[in-house]
Amino acid sequence: QVQLVESGGGVVQPGRSLRLSCAASGFSFSDYAMHWVRQAPGKGLEWVAIISYEGSNKYYADSVKGRFTISRDDSKNTLYLQMNSLRAEDTAVFYCAREGGPYSSDRSDWYFGLWGRGTLVTVSS
Amino acid sequence: DIQMTQSPSTLSASVGDRVSITCRASQSMSSWLAWYQQKPGQAPKVLIYKASTLESGVPSRFSGSGSGTEFTLTISSLQPDDFATYYCQQYSRYPYTFGQGTKLEIK
Repeated sequence: QVQLVESGGGVVQPGRSLRLSCAASGFSFSDYAMHWVRQAPGKGLEWVAIISYEGSNKYYADSVKGRFTISRDDSKNTLYLQMNSLRAEDTAVFYCAREGGPYSSDRSDWYFGLWGRGTLVTVSS
Repeated sequence: DIQMTQSPSTLSASVGDRVSITCRASQSMSSWLAWYQQKPGQAPKVLIYKASTLESGVPSRFSGSGSGTEFTLTISSLQPDDFATYYCQQYSRYPYTFGQGTKLEIK
């Protein structure tokens, strides 16, 4: 079925690195722009990063710019988030999300149409 | 950045009530707005996109309206399954931003 499954979360010390993965299935992964969105415990949603469907365009939230890198491997139907120099304030559930429509051809579809269940990242010493 | 402000932060209502949640943007963003529902321990789920378009499979009691800087999500007749937290989100420009959320509680 159509789904996204995140993995790679866990407990990590401040200043260390972690790589999250998001496995896609049930749809043509290479046709869609993909995002990471996070949610700190008990808090609201924060957009983190986007990668275009062809992988050439990437944008980041200021809070993670220079520390996090989004990437994709279409041969594996997998989205990644490399997180370096982690801070306590990065503690959150990280969700991957797919846009509502393929190729980003219609701006109407640039919302988050499909979400994974999330993976928890805890940054603590 | 476009700031999104939702009101109210908490809303108490009963089954069968008609309720509305407002989202205001700090600058005009045409109709590039989505509404999401999130239940505890679950991922958000899209309800409305492009301000007023109902996502496939979402019950017709949900509706959205507005453009520019003011938007509204309306639930015409609350059902038990609707008690959750609702977020608006703009996708007009990066960084995409969310409202702070509205928790809909049972009165």
